[in-house]
Amino acid sequence: QVQLQESGPGLVKPPETLSLTCTVSGGSMSSYYWSWIRQPPGKGLEWIGDIYDSGSNKYNPSLKSRVTISLDTSKSQFSLKLNSVTAADTAVYYCARAPGRVRGVILNYYYMDVWGKGTTVTVSS
Amino acid sequence: SYELTQSPSVSVSPGQTASITCSGDKLGDKYVSWYQHKPGQSPVVVIYQDDKRPSGIPERFSGSNSGNTATLTISGTQAMDEADYYCQAWDSSSVVFGGGTKLTVL
Repeated sequence: QVQLQESGPGLVKPPETLSLTCTVSGGSMSSYYWSWIRQPPGKGLEWIGDIYDSGSNKYNPSLKSRVTISLDTSKSQFSLKLNSVTAADTAVYYCARAPGRVRGVILNYYYMDVWGKGTTVTVSS
Repeated sequence: SYELTQSPSVSVSPGQTASITCSGDKLGDKYVSWYQHKPGQSPVVVIYQDDKRPSGIPERFSGSNSGNTATLTISGTQAMDEADYYCQAWDSSSVVFGGGTKLTVL
């Protein structure tokens, strides 16, 4: 059974860079989108962006100028970097998997079927 | 950018049917997923591709999507269904979540 685990600093100073890694265990990274989602305190879920196994990215337009998501299949990991953080970036950060192909067929729908437990990141000086 | 709108809260009595809606421009032309999110836990997908239920999700969860509105229906609602529910849609360039609906089972 595939499991995802987020890791990284729980406290980041503004305006530094937030860096998180998601480690994938129990399955292949092939044919999936690998996403980052966050939830600020008292607010809803916000999609940050994703990366496909080919290395192509999509980002939330509201965060695109500050976000980089990368993939290291040799380590079964993908990572998030968010630059120039402020207190508004304080949130629980989740990594998640979304199927991109099933039995070789490209899917025309998108859903996140496996999620990490989430990690809390506080931005404060 | 594309937006999805959900009512902030819905209340239902145990055993009754709960309907949670999600609206967006021509939403029926996109596929919608629904996630259940309980405090301190990770979100769980309960419906994908408008009306498909992942294995392990009870049959009381169902979904539909037409026009500008997608609906998550929970039949015979149980106390364990109390949670926040989020709709999610996708186009080739972005993924969008609705603002979430808090379901209270009174």
